[in-house]
Amino acid sequence: DTEVTQTPKHLVMGMTNKKSLKCEQHMGHRAMYWYKQKAKKPPELMFVYSYEKLSINESVPSRFSPECPNSSLLNLHLHALQPEDSALYLCASSQEETGVREQYFGPGTRLTVL
Amino acid sequence: KNEVEQSPQNLTAQEGEFITINCSYSVGISALHWLQQHPGGGIVSLFMLSSGKKKHGRLIATINIQEKHSSLHITASHPRDSAVYICASQGGSEKLVFGKGTKLTVNP
Repeated sequence: DTEVTQTPKHLVMGMTNKKSLKCEQHMGHRAMYWYKQKAKKPPELMFVYSYEKLSINESVPSRFSPECPNSSLLNLHLHALQPEDSALYLCASSQEETGVREQYFGPGTRLTVL
Repeated sequence: KNEVEQSPQNLTAQEGEFITINCSYSVGISALHWLQQHPGGGIVSLFMLSSGKKKHGRLIATINIQEKHSSLHITASHPRDSAVYICASQGGSEKLVFGKGTKLTVNP
């Protein structure tokens, strides 16, 4: 199984809502990533988890809150988002954080904030 | 600071044509990744290169470490190859530095 799954595929939320994005992989990877991608732009790294611990936070606003409940799951909790947060949110995983490793990406969650 | 430049930005080809997408980076790296993204979709990793050349089906990726340059070639292009192709460099850390992507359209 070389798949990273993400749910939901699409999400529309108001600025006062609280929602969560979910990501799952069963490849035994120990590093998991959240990226944000705006239209016609490359992905921007948001967070990296390594062995279930947050290792990188790219100065992401606190309205985005990541969580790694176990080595297979990665969540991104959303609260009080702004319309400019509308984007494609991609999850990825790799065997380990250190060294040169191939990253496997999920299909993404298309988020619209009204 | 490593910067990754891709060319061309947009590319239109007829089915069957040979396609080349170029990628240059500014500092020494550990690996170069080629990624494919279909419209509205997730990203698929095509190649990870540290040196030389890799081939997978109709896709070939090459890297010249001295020149700090990589190319992605598609032979016998097909409309289903239409996508955005992104190169990304990786130094010693886990972070990828992405190019802006090349949008490829292959017409039947």
